[in-house]
Amino acid sequence: NAGVTQTPKFQVLKTGQSMTLQCAQDMNHEYMSWYRQDPGMGLRLIHYSVGAGITDQGEVPNGYNVSRSTTEDFPLRLLSAAPSQTSVYFCASSKQGSNGYTFGSGTRLTVV
Amino acid sequence: GQQVMQIPQYQHVQEGEDFTTYCNSSTTLSNIQWYKQRPGGHPVFLIQLVKSGEVKKQKRLTFQFGEAKKNSSLHITATQTTDVGTYFCAGKKSNTGKLIFGQGTTLQVKP
Repeated sequence: NAGVTQTPKFQVLKTGQSMTLQCAQDMNHEYMSWYRQDPGMGLRLIHYSVGAGITDQGEVPNGYNVSRSTTEDFPLRLLSAAPSQTSVYFCASSKQGSNGYTFGSGTRLTVV
Repeated sequence: GQQVMQIPQYQHVQEGEDFTTYCNSSTTLSNIQWYKQRPGGHPVFLIQLVKSGEVKKQKRLTFQFGEAKKNSSLHITATQTTDVGTYFCAGKKSNTGKLIFGQGTTLQVKP
C-alpha cells in the first residue's frame, strides 16, 4: 500500500494563478480531509469528505474548492492564488468509525 | 464553531524530565485523538480516547480524557531526545469525518 499520496511536493505560484493539489489513497478509506499548516496556527481544516460525492466545509474553506468523484481521490483546487495561501497542505484519510487519520507527506506551496 | 485550544505552545525540557501538554475544547467531544509530528514531517496518529475519564498508556506516554469529555492531556515520563516534535490533540464533536486540531505543543529536549 502506498498510503496517502500527495502531489506535487513543492509548488510556486504567482498571485492569481490557479492550480490543483492532488491527493490519492489506496486504503479504501471513506473519510478524506485537507488541512493547511501555518507556523503557530496548528492544522486548520479546509474541506472534508465522508464519502464519494459528499463534501463539506471546514474551518477555512474560502478560496478553495474540492470534489470527491471517487473514493480514492480528493483534489484541492485553488481558483485564484493569493499570498495568504502560502502554506503547507496536508491531505489525510481515515476509515469510517476507525481510529486516526493517515496523513500524506504534504505539499509546500508558495504564492508570490 | 468548534474550537480546540492547546497549551503550552512550546516546552523545553532537560532529558529525563517529565512533560505534559493540555487540550481544551469549547464543546463536548465524541472522541479525542493525539498526533506527533517530527520536524519536517507529517502528523502521525498516536491514540484515540473515546470514553469519559479514559486513561491509556503507551510506554512512557499517558493519555487522559476528561470526565466531561471537553479536555485531555498527554504526559511523557522521563523524556528522551527521540520525543522531540510537535504534539497535537484533535477532537471530533460527533462520529463524522470532521476532525479539528489544536495549535500543538512543540517539545524540545536537551541531552
